[in-house]
Amino acid sequence: KNQVEQSPQSLIILEGKNCTLQCNYTVSPFSNLRWYKQDTGRGPVSLTIMTFSENTKSNGRYTATLDADTKQSSLHITASQLSDSASYICVVSVGTGRRALTFGSGTRLQVQP
Amino acid sequence: EAGVTQFPSHSVIEKGQTVTLRCDPISGHDNLYWYRRVMGKEIKFLLHFVKESKQDESGMPNNRFLAERTGGTYSTLKVQPAELEDSGVYFCASSQGLGGGYEQYFGPGTRLTVT
Repeated sequence: KNQVEQSPQSLIILEGKNCTLQCNYTVSPFSNLRWYKQDTGRGPVSLTIMTFSENTKSNGRYTATLDADTKQSSLHITASQLSDSASYICVVSVGTGRRALTFGSGTRLQVQP
Repeated sequence: EAGVTQFPSHSVIEKGQTVTLRCDPISGHDNLYWYRRVMGKEIKFLLHFVKESKQDESGMPNNRFLAERTGGTYSTLKVQPAELEDSGVYFCASSQGLGGGYEQYFGPGTRLTVT
């Protein structure tokens, strides 16, 4: 069964601090891995997309890593801001034919002043 | 450029009633997806349209759910009759093409509450 597991479920950090969110997946065949940010009451917004051959991808203060061998990914947020408070969802795309996305349950991040 | 829009933003209906959700994708996006998140669970795939054709409807939970995309533009998702377990947030997404290079853009979702 294709699964995406994220940790921690929730996280509270102080403004200006860094944090790292984890994602493990068992999806096969793997096509790509995405990190989404979802603000309360809004739809998910893509932060990064990585294919099998990519190890690291950055988008501003967000840096995602991918280890396709161990099927693990991480999202590192640098110098957090209050606006980073949101749910961060790891999403894996299954290859060959079906193009739907398999979602993790997300990490709820709260940045406090 | 307008993003993906969904209507209504929130719907409250009684068990046994019918509800129709609407999604307007980004103009020019042939691919349209429906997803939903039920309470406490992760977002799950429902179905995928390419233009007006259903490419994959393997995620549709049962025959009480009917999705259409006449003319290949906007899409509707009808739930008839609604059950309590249908409560959740229904997301629509669209993409220009398939594959990892194409981003799926999500709408804000429709929160459905069945009482």
